[in-house]
Amino acid sequence: GQQVMQIPQYQHVQEGEDFTTYCNSSTTLSNIQWYKQRPGGHPVFLIQLVKSGEVKKQKRLTFQFGEAKKNSSLHITATQTTDVGTYFCAGINTGTASKLTFGTGTRLQVTL
Amino acid sequence: DSGVTQTPKHLITATGQRVTLRCSPRSGDLSVYWYQQSLDQGLQFLIQYYNGEERAKGNILERFSAQQFPDLHSELNLSSLELGDSALYFCASSVDGVETQYFGPGTRLLVL
Repeated sequence: GQQVMQIPQYQHVQEGEDFTTYCNSSTTLSNIQWYKQRPGGHPVFLIQLVKSGEVKKQKRLTFQFGEAKKNSSLHITATQTTDVGTYFCAGINTGTASKLTFGTGTRLQVTL
Repeated sequence: DSGVTQTPKHLITATGQRVTLRCSPRSGDLSVYWYQQSLDQGLQFLIQYYNGEERAKGNILERFSAQQFPDLHSELNLSSLELGDSALYFCASSVDGVETQYFGPGTRLLVL
């Protein structure tokens, strides 16, 4: 079945450093979504990318969808302690109508 | 607040028992999803319902079952509970089953 892997599993940065998480799917995706889960919280939708090569920005966050629609990345510029949490990508396989497959997640820790 | 409600928030029970988790989707959302998240693990998709009908099935054990009622709320039934079933169970909803998912606060289940 479809697998969505994320790397790294865990990253610890100092406040102000940049952070990137990569998401790779074993199959072509029709779209990809990103979610953030704060410690003790529930996943919260951040953004959806649909087009091949699409790049979207939200303040310090930059999201990219690969040309082949099999990978994606989330880059955070100048991290802050409020960025702490686990970031999940989630993709819908072009072959399976609606099932959203979540990635393995990247846990980000930011210290002063 | 996502608009998705889950009850109870916490549940402590013993091995071999049966429990029911309840979820009310956001107003207007027809699709409900159930996920299991074990400690420091990703989100394991269990099952999806759309307007009362099962739409997609993930890694749901035979001891687990779910349903969506005419008023669109959903219940997840877990039976013959084992220690390994201890986890956070999230419900999410979306409008039509392919768009953004909105997660509830989760039910934390502890099996002793």
